Amino acid sequence: DTEVTQTPKHLVMGMTNKKSLKCEQHMGHRAMYWYKQKAKKPPELMFVYSYEKLSINESVPSRFSPECPNSSLLNLHLHALQPEDSALYLCASSQEGLAGNYEQYFGPGTRLTVT
Amino acid sequence: GESVGLHLPTLSVQEGDNSIINCAYSNSASDYFIWYKQESGKGPQFIIDIRSNMDKRQGQRVTVLLNKTVKHLSLQIAATQPGDSAVYFCAENGPGGATNKLIFGTGTLLAVQP
Repeated sequence: DTEVTQTPKHLVMGMTNKKSLKCEQHMGHRAMYWYKQKAKKPPELMFVYSYEKLSINESVPSRFSPECPNSSLLNLHLHALQPEDSALYLCASSQEGLAGNYEQYFGPGTRLTVT
Repeated sequence: GESVGLHLPTLSVQEGDNSIINCAYSNSASDYFIWYKQESGKGPQFIIDIRSNMDKRQGQRVTVLLNKTVKHLSLQIAATQPGDSAVYFCAENGPGGATNKLIFGTGTLLAVQP
């Protein structure tokens, strides 16, 4: 199984709502990532989890709160978002090791619209 | 070229021709590079990677070339097909090398004409 799954595919939320994005992989990967992608732009890294611990936070506003309940799951909790947060949110996973870097496998993304 | 505003650099090729997509990377300390393909409405899909101890790597119908002297990466696609139409991103690993941080280039839209 070389698939990263994300739910929901689409999400519309108001600025006062609380919602969560979910990501799952069963490849045994120990590194998981959240990216944000605006239209016609490259993905921008938000968070990296390594062995279920947050290892990189790219100065993301606190209205985005990541969580890694176990090695297969990654959540992104959303609260009090702004319209400019509307984007495609991508989850990815990869092997983790000291030998170097490994390719990241991406999910299909959640298309988020904040109204 | 570099994208400006909402406009992606575009490469238009005829079906059956070879395509070459170029990328300039920024960090001379980067030692791992990846090419991704992203079709409309989908997440990026891994195509091929290369480490800095190599200057060429071949896959199925694709070849990646790395020129560390000028910090340039290219993706060659042989016998381009309509299904190759997508946005292609190069990515390099972050400062320090052995991290999981990928930095993506601006992307190139490949349009294959039948």
